[in-house]
Amino acid sequence: DVKVTQSSRYLVKRTGEKVFLECVQDMDHENMFWYRQDPGLGLRLIYFSYDVKMKEKGDIPEGYSVSREKKERFSLILESASTNQTSMYLCASSPYPETGSSYEQYFGPGTRLTVT
Amino acid sequence: AQKVTQAQTEISVVEKEDVTLDCVYETRDTTYYLFWYKQPPSGELVFLIRRNSFDEQNEISGRYSWNFQKSTSSFNFTITASQVVDSAVYFCALSLDYGGSQGNLIFGKGTKLSVKP
Repeated sequence: DVKVTQSSRYLVKRTGEKVFLECVQDMDHENMFWYRQDPGLGLRLIYFSYDVKMKEKGDIPEGYSVSREKKERFSLILESASTNQTSMYLCASSPYPETGSSYEQYFGPGTRLTVT
Repeated sequence: AQKVTQAQTEISVVEKEDVTLDCVYETRDTTYYLFWYKQPPSGELVFLIRRNSFDEQNEISGRYSWNFQKSTSSFNFTITASQVVDSAVYFCALSLDYGGSQGNLIFGKGTKLSVKP
């Protein structure tokens, strides 16, 4: 079974702190994604990566950065956390889709981040 | 632009009732993929089904069934004889072909289903 793990289930940080959210997958997937989930807004894509050291902005990249130094690990960084970044953060991975195909994404359990 | 609409924000049913979750999508691409995910209270999204735009056959898996109709751009999900364990938020999602998105999913806002005993 595909396993996507996230470093913390719950995290409380102070405004202005630098925050690292870690995600690891064990299925050798090329694609990795970071979403945030807020009530009434569904899932919104922050960043994704389709290869080591590659990254692409999603729909809401402002205030975030990412790092992918190894294929299995994708980190989300909040350079200076703010209260409006309080949210549930979900990581996902999938194989890189071949032409004429698409693959489901496999999700981690999520990290509920509170910024006070 | 691509979009997924789940008009039902919340649905509440009594156990053993049938319930249908609606999903309407928008895309101009002719090749695309549709997905349903379940998010139980534990928080982890669980993949349920993937369909491609060329396969309009309905699918049944136990108490779950999916109705894909290109004519109405809908991909509805029905749970027959609902159970308390079906209580969750359900998301419909759309993905374009490789050339369009490299596998990105466009999610609807989700429908929260509550099944009461």
